[in-house]
Amino acid sequence: EDKVVQSPLSLVVHEGDTVTLNCSYEVTNFRSLLWYKQEKKAPTFLFMLTSSGIEKKSGRLSSILDKKELFSILNITATQTGDSAVYLCAVHPSGNTPLVFGKGTRLSVIA
Amino acid sequence: DTGVSQDPRHKITKRGQNVTFRCDPISEHNRLYWYRQTLGQGPEFLTYFQNEAQLEKSRLLSDRFSAERPKGSFSTLEIQRTEQGDSAMYLCASSLEWSSPLHFGNGTRLTVT
Repeated sequence: EDKVVQSPLSLVVHEGDTVTLNCSYEVTNFRSLLWYKQEKKAPTFLFMLTSSGIEKKSGRLSSILDKKELFSILNITATQTGDSAVYLCAVHPSGNTPLVFGKGTRLSVIA
Repeated sequence: DTGVSQDPRHKITKRGQNVTFRCDPISEHNRLYWYRQTLGQGPEFLTYFQNEAQLEKSRLLSDRFSAERPKGSFSTLEIQRTEQGDSAMYLCASSLEWSSPLHFGNGTRLTVT
């Protein structure tokens, strides 16, 4: 069965800290890995990763994939209170299997 | 880009009643997905459509659940004889292609009393 495991499940940091969120996976025939940010409502898309070792970056957020070790990390530098959210990792296997999500990491950034 | 819209935003119903939710995807997206999310969990896949064809259904989707996408545009998800365990956020998402990221709506929060 396809599985995505995120760690930690929750994290509290102070503004300005740097955080690293982890995502490991076990899927048959991997196609891509995606990161989403979920505040109160809809998950919003952050990154899609398909190749190992290529960093995707958007502002203070960056992510990288290791297909050999089957994991990805999401880094957030100089955290702000607006970064407080649940960060979801999802994997897209090949074939007709849709996205499989992890439980998410709840990040709280305090001033 | 108007995004994915879902209606209603909240639904409170008594056990045993039927409920129906609606999802309008992004207009050029031909793939539409339904997911369910409970507190502290990630979204769990329920079913998906390519145009009007329902191509995949999860084992989570019991016989009380049915989904349609009659003209390949909006979709409805109906739950018959609701149970307290059906209480959850029901998320709809759409994508342009199979390999494209999913874009989610704000969800319908169902509470069964």
